[in-house]
Amino acid sequence: QKEVEQNSGPLSVPEGAIASLNCTYSDRGSQSFFWYRQYSGKSPELIMFIYSNGDKEDGRFTAQLNKASQYVSLLIRDSQPSDSATYLCAVNVEGTGRRALTFGSGTRLQVQP
Amino acid sequence: DVKVTQSSRYLVKRTGEKVFLECVQDMDHENMFWYRQDPGLGLRLIYFSYDVKMKEKGDIPEGYSVSREKKERFSLILESASTNQTSMYLCASSKYSNEKLFFGSGTQLSVL
Repeated sequence: QKEVEQNSGPLSVPEGAIASLNCTYSDRGSQSFFWYRQYSGKSPELIMFIYSNGDKEDGRFTAQLNKASQYVSLLIRDSQPSDSATYLCAVNVEGTGRRALTFGSGTRLQVQP
Repeated sequence: DVKVTQSSRYLVKRTGEKVFLECVQDMDHENMFWYRQDPGLGLRLIYFSYDVKMKEKGDIPEGYSVSREKKERFSLILESASTNQTSMYLCASSKYSNEKLFFGSGTQLSVL
């Protein structure tokens, strides 16, 4: 089992719809969760982070964390074609003793005009 | 804003060459990282450093070494480049461990 898993997609949604991106992780000790957006040919940029169970909202983006079920989600409301990108989930994996984030392989989102 | 600068955007090298990838950050961050990114495999950690002259292996350190002589600079070294090291290399930094990362623009390395 991978430490951080994401569906590779592509996830295709129409413009204006809600895009829901999911990430599961294997280490129950994980404390920090991050969502990065990566446009083709560019480096990842941080869009959200969450540490506590529940929802965290920032503009059109909402991160949801459920530690009991070991998943973290990113919702994008009113999706725009400019949201088309790969979304990477990153988690600290405490069990490795490593002080570095572990990334999922990313979900490609396509927003259709 | 944090700026992480990678010295080359594109690099073409021959097999067996020694390759240096340089990364500099300007925000006095303690932690610096080297990841490589390949299609379908996501970002994989090669090495990271949490202090000057300190380093730790990541998931795929074989064939690589690193150097951190100054806090702001973290170098990735391919001792003898091989074709399977053709990849996008991303440098990142963070103030605290397991905290949000700031990435450089990446170096696309091709080994022929």
